[in-house]
Amino acid sequence: GDSVTQMEGPVTLSEEAFLTINCTYTATGYPSLFWYVQYPGEGLQLLLKATKADDKGSNKGFEATYRKETTSFHLEKGSVQVSDSAVYFCALINTGTASKLTFGTGTRLQVTL
Amino acid sequence: GAGVSQTPSNKVTEKGKYVELRCDPISGHTALYWYRQSLGQGPEFLIYFQGTGAADDSGLPNDRFFAVRPEGSVSTLKIQRTERGDSAVYLCASSSPPNRGDTQYFGPGTRLTVL
Repeated sequence: GDSVTQMEGPVTLSEEAFLTINCTYTATGYPSLFWYVQYPGEGLQLLLKATKADDKGSNKGFEATYRKETTSFHLEKGSVQVSDSAVYFCALINTGTASKLTFGTGTRLQVTL
Repeated sequence: GAGVSQTPSNKVTEKGKYVELRCDPISGHTALYWYRQSLGQGPEFLIYFQGTGAADDSGLPNDRFFAVRPEGSVSTLKIQRTERGDSAVYLCASSSPPNRGDTQYFGPGTRLTVL
């Protein structure tokens, strides 16, 4: 079945550091890929998405590129802020499963001054 | 506009009891989803409604779990004979129209604790 694997956290960075959170997936067909974020005390919200190979999703300074050849969708940000501290989830929707999201286990990011 | 709302925000019950969790989706959203998130894990799919009908209930763990959406708007997730392993945050999401690229908007969740 479909699955998403994320790097384990927590990831602790100083403010203005470069961020990479790795995400790889296993799926048949051509899934759409997503990054969701959960800030402390808040619900899940979409951060960015990409629906086909080589697409780049971007939002709030975060970027991720859909790499079919490596089945990856790594999240990056050039300069993190304390306000980026949250749990980040990589997810996919597969062609054959209509709209069912399959999530990774999440990666907690802690940014310090 | 209003987002997805879920009630109650917290529910504590005893093993063996029956519980109902409510989801009110964004107005006009035809697709509604239930997920379950255990501590330290990502959300896991339970069931998907398109309108009033359950289009995919493959994620329901067993026959103690049941969900309805009688008028195509509000949905209720029902759990019979609760077990301690049912303790989790139950998330609801909605989208419109449902296709694989559309954003699912999540509610704040209901934290269920079974003692």
